Parts: sequence; C-alpha cells; structure tokens
Amino acid sequence: GQNIDQPTEMTATEGAIVQINCTYQTSGFNGLFWYQQHAGEAPTFLSYNVLDGLEEKGRFSSFLSRSKGYSYLLLKELQMKDSASYLCAVMDSNYQLIWGAGTKLIIKP
Amino acid sequence: NAGVTQTPKFRILKIGQSMTLQCTQDMNHNYMYWYRQDPGMGLKLIYYSVGAGITDKGEVPNGYNVSRSTTEDFPLRLELAAPSQTSVYFCASSFTGSGANVLTFGAGSRLTVL
Repeated sequence: GQNIDQPTEMTATEGAIVQINCTYQTSGFNGLFWYQQHAGEAPTFLSYNVLDGLEEKGRFSSFLSRSKGYSYLLLKELQMKDSASYLCAVMDSNYQLIWGAGTKLIIKP
Repeated sequence: NAGVTQTPKFRILKIGQSMTLQCTQDMNHNYMYWYRQDPGMGLKLIYYSVGAGITDKGEVPNGYNVSRSTTEDFPLRLELAAPSQTSVYFCASSFTGSGANVLTFGAGSRLTVL
C-alpha cells in the first residue's frame, strides 16, 4: 500500500529552527508537496520538490531524497504565526496525491 | 478574484437526509477535487474532475455523487447521510493534473450527521 509518515506533533520556540520530516512509500513518484494549514482553515501551498536537493523560499526550505523516500521542511526564525499543521503529499505514478496526516507545530514564546 | 468558494461552511444533518455542498472557482481551472479531512488522517479524495462533463471516483466515493456541468462549478451530493460522513469537506482546483500541480482550496465545509 501507499503510505506517508510524518510526526503527529512538534513543539518549538519562537525564533528557533524546526525540521519536519516526511517519509513516503508510494507506487511511483511525480513530486512532493508541502502545505500549511492553520486550525479551521484551508491548506495553502508551501513548496514543491521533484528533484533531489534543497529548495529555499524565504524562511522555509524543503529537501528531497528520492532514493531514501524522504523529505523535510525546514522553518527558520520561527514566528508565532507559524503555529499550524504541515501536510506532506506525494504525487504517485497515476498523478494522484497521497496525503500524510499532517504535523501539528506548536510555537512557544 | 474569489478563488474557490464553498457553501455552506457548517451544516448539521440527520441520518438519512440528503444535501449538496456547492463549490465554485473563478480561476478557469480545468481540474477540480473534493476531499474529506478526518482527525488524525490525511486528506482523502472523494471525486475529481478533469474538465466539464468529466468526473471520476477517488479513494472514498461511496455515499457521494458529483457533477461538472460547467468549468466553474463542481457540487458534491450526499445521499442518505450517515454518521460516517461527519467530516470537514474541502473543494480544490488546479490548472493542471500533473507536474507542479498546486491545489487551491476552498475554506471548507464542516458537516455533522446525527
């Protein structure tokens, strides 16, 4: 079966750095996505990786290793507004998105 | 530019009732999707559409129906509501179905079946 694994919850301090990991086992691979979802709101797109390596976008970076079935989302200079759930999703060989359950990130002052 | 608009935001249904969740997008996106989100689980695809007049089942289609008569609208119909359909429903759209397929989501519809 297809599976996406992420930690359920993480806690970090304002101003610090946090890394949210995502491992996947899917039938084929056509890209990996990270979305941010604030409580009670819709998911919003953060990043897309299809090749190995690091993609940087401001305070957020996303890394992919296809051989290891692994990605991480790195958030720097954490702000209180970064408190949200972070969803990892993989596009499989049929171009269907397989979603992880999400990681709830709690930022403490 | 409103993006993806879903209605209603909240609804309580009795077992056996029917209802339609409305979804409209104004971005001229070809692809539209309906997902449900349950606590502790990833988004599950119910139905999707690649263009007007074309719909297909996702991972969890039982108990639901859709139609796509126009590019803009993609309503989701619940027939004979059951407690297992208590969930948050998200409509989404995208320009393409492959590659950097970025989804734009509606605000969600929280449905409770009692």
